[in-house]
Amino acid sequence: DTGVSQDPRHKITKRGQNVTFRCDPISEHNRLYWYRQTLGQGPEFLTYFQNEAQLEKSRLLSDRFSAERPKGSFSTLEIQRTEQGDSAMYLCASSPGGHPTGELFFGEGSRLTVL
Amino acid sequence: AQRVTQPEKLLSVFKGAPVELKCNYSYSGSPELFWYVQYSRQRLQLLLRHISRESIKGFTADLNKGETSFHLKKPFAQEEDSAMYYCALSRSNDYKLSFGAGTTVTVRA
Repeated sequence: DTGVSQDPRHKITKRGQNVTFRCDPISEHNRLYWYRQTLGQGPEFLTYFQNEAQLEKSRLLSDRFSAERPKGSFSTLEIQRTEQGDSAMYLCASSPGGHPTGELFFGEGSRLTVL
Repeated sequence: AQRVTQPEKLLSVFKGAPVELKCNYSYSGSPELFWYVQYSRQRLQLLLRHISRESIKGFTADLNKGETSFHLKKPFAQEEDSAMYYCALSRSNDYKLSFGAGTTVTVRA
């Protein structure tokens, strides 16, 4: 499968712990996005990279959240001092260059449960 | 700020019946509208976009700027159409999507 891959698929952690999610986009895609989805809601935008540059961050992304894409390939999303409200599905998506609003290709998501 | 509203959380129809999923948006500029679909145990994927004016899997959607709507329609629903459907909007020349809360469609035999 050459689609977007995310790891881990599921993570259960205790409140106050740090967690890190990884996303490997489709190889030729230079744009990478992180979204968060809670139960009964649609995905909400968190942040966006073009190559290694983080071009936009949502106000949803508190200072406990940090995302990187060091070499313009895979990306990591770290949550420090997790809270129960961080429990959600974290979705990664990628898209090729060209028109800004081309199709987004989503991964299967990383589900976080904070106890 | 832009906003997407899908008023129906659940929609149940019989096979062969027409199905319409409502989507309304608020945005003062010229939006680009999309429908994304998530089938059971599959990832979220694009179904169609308004600029393409295409029919995908028998579905069509027309952008009505006067009513600020982008409803998704199919004249004859099939069991394989059972899925979660999300309407999404992007602003002109923007990279990110704003999604509605989604509508779960169940097509009964």
